[in-house]
Amino acid sequence: NAGVTQTPKFRILKIGQSMTLQCAQDMNHNYMYWYRQDPGMGLKLIYYSVGAGITDKGEVPNGYNVSRSTTEDFPLRLELAAPSQTSVYFCASSYSQGTGELFFGEGSRLTVL
Amino acid sequence: GQQLNQSPQSMFIQEGEDVSMNCTSSSIFNTWLWYKQEPGEGPVLLIALYKAGELTSNGRLTAQFGITRKDSFLNISASIPSDVGIYFCAGRDQGGSEKLVFGKGTKLTVNP
Repeated sequence: NAGVTQTPKFRILKIGQSMTLQCAQDMNHNYMYWYRQDPGMGLKLIYYSVGAGITDKGEVPNGYNVSRSTTEDFPLRLELAAPSQTSVYFCASSYSQGTGELFFGEGSRLTVL
Repeated sequence: GQQLNQSPQSMFIQEGEDVSMNCTSSSIFNTWLWYKQEPGEGPVLLIALYKAGELTSNGRLTAQFGITRKDSFLNISASIPSDVGIYFCAGRDQGGSEKLVFGKGTKLTVNP
């Protein structure tokens, strides 16, 4: 069972470039989330989705966009990358009633120079 | 927004010692969870708590949902080197929001 799969694991971007972080889960979970983790700061919610076609902003959505065309996939788009977006990004999924029991991917480390 | 205060920020202990960490909130939560993150990995759920006063164990780990619903603690007994990692508390408020709030983590180092 693959669980939550994130790609790429590492990426270096120049300021102003754009990219998409991919996330896929094979557990048929309705709920999916994107978090960013900065050193010593815990996890901050960027965007989340409660099902295909439905997305909503989290705590720190500026500079990001998401889409949810299928239950399995929840890509995160960075437009006009900035140094402040240097971080480790985690995708997570959970059961349909949002128990808080999240399954996380291994993370994508992004550096913007 | 909501904040969770997690303490201590870091701990350096000897193998075999017991560990205690806690998390407090300024608002009432109806769910408390504890996650562990090892280097280079995503967080993994350790224990989930859904009722005030609930005390739950998972092997050497024990966690409690505070009776005021504004706090939770995690204890690790007889620590071993593989307990090394960052431990996060997370909470979900009584409004039924789908969004979890995470603490900043407790970094645990275990010396053999």
